[in-house]
Amino acid sequence: SQELEQSPQSLIVQEGKNLTINCTSSKTLYGLYWYKQKYGEGLIFLMMLQKGGEEKSHEKITAKLDEKKQQSSLHITASQPSHAGIYLCGADTMNSGGYQKVTFGIGTKLQVIP
Amino acid sequence: DGGITQSPKYLFRKEGQNVTLSCEQNLNHDAMYWYRQDPGQGLRLIYYSQIVNDFQKGDIAEGYSVSREKKESFPLTVTSAQKNPTAFYLCASSIAPLDRDGYTFGSGTRLTVV
Repeated sequence: SQELEQSPQSLIVQEGKNLTINCTSSKTLYGLYWYKQKYGEGLIFLMMLQKGGEEKSHEKITAKLDEKKQQSSLHITASQPSHAGIYLCGADTMNSGGYQKVTFGIGTKLQVIP
Repeated sequence: DGGITQSPKYLFRKEGQNVTLSCEQNLNHDAMYWYRQDPGQGLRLIYYSQIVNDFQKGDIAEGYSVSREKKESFPLTVTSAQKNPTAFYLCASSIAPLDRDGYTFGSGTRLTVV
């Protein structure tokens, strides 16, 4: 089954600093999603990557999928307190019955200190 | 505004009782999902439905049941057979199972067994 490993599991950064979160898959990624979650709330979709080497940006957040399509990184430039939360990656998977769904990683908890 | 609504936000249940969590969407999405979130374990898929009157077990379906009689609604029943039901439950929907625009999540229901 698809397994996603996120690193680091938690991160504390000073406001204004850059940071990177990684998501590594045990299998080739055919679709990779990044979401953000505030504690106790639902997930907000950030972006989706499909092609090897693809890179997308959303405000100060940039995500990239490597050429081998087994690792994605999420980079935040000049972090702000509003970036704090849990970042989760998700991967397209298909079960034995042919049904498609998204499997999520554990998440990376980000704290930004003013 | 279109969206996905979960209710109630907080729910307390006595041991041995069944309880139903509501999930309603007005996005005209075909696919709907129920996830459970526990600290250190990320999101785990309970049940999903790709179309009305059809649903599939996810990774941790034991002790749960669902119905999909209407496109807009996908209620989840936590039965007394669920050994450890205390968790944060998230409902999501998407236009199609693998949607480049990602899933839309509700704000969650926190269930506590007392």
